[in-house]
Amino acid sequence: DTGVSQDPRHKITKRGQNVTFRCDPISEHNRLYWYRQTLGQGPEFLTYFQNEAQLEKSRLLSDRFSAERPKGSFSTLEIQRTEQGDSAMYLCASNVILDHTGQETQYFGPGTRLLVL
Amino acid sequence: KQEVTQIPAALSVPEGENLVLNCSFTDSAIYNLQWFRQDPGKGLTSLLLIQSSQREQTSGRLNASLDKSSGRSTLYIAASQPGDSATYLCAVRRYSWDTPLVFGKGTRLSVIA
Repeated sequence: DTGVSQDPRHKITKRGQNVTFRCDPISEHNRLYWYRQTLGQGPEFLTYFQNEAQLEKSRLLSDRFSAERPKGSFSTLEIQRTEQGDSAMYLCASNVILDHTGQETQYFGPGTRLLVL
Repeated sequence: KQEVTQIPAALSVPEGENLVLNCSFTDSAIYNLQWFRQDPGKGLTSLLLIQSSQREQTSGRLNASLDKSSGRSTLYIAASQPGDSATYLCAVRRYSWDTPLVFGKGTRLSVIA
């Protein structure tokens, strides 16, 4: 169990370019979440998956954003036509329910820091 | 809409002090509440998780309490150390174990040696 991994860790791009981030969850975790965190703020929910199905999308996820989780394994988050306001840390998290009591444990990846110039 | 507020926004204490971080939430219908630690530029590490039916959880020098009816939680850190310096985030889960977390803005803690 190597934890949740994200790639790249840092990305600098020019306004108007497209970027794609990848998240590899812990292997047996069937729930995968994307959050965005700007400086001085807590993470804000973007979207989440149960296996390959995208169950919920936040109003923060404009039509320039798209997320996929093919085959219910890794996930990608793409931002098209990036804007300076997209500069943030993009965090991925995964979890699984542990036992009949409903106890769950959630793990976050290290994040991808995006800077749009 | 659930909103989570953390007070204070920043806190600086000398090493060895006991301290309390506060978290409040507007909708008491939560599934659970979780405290996280975040080091600068890094991801989040889960510290304590309290189910809605529980009153408190303890891990080492950390103790988290939950008063669901009043919409409040506290994180108590005993005998603080410089290594405790980080941002502490409170988050609530709405109605089931897999619904997304709603976070506060965090409390930035500095423990001075």
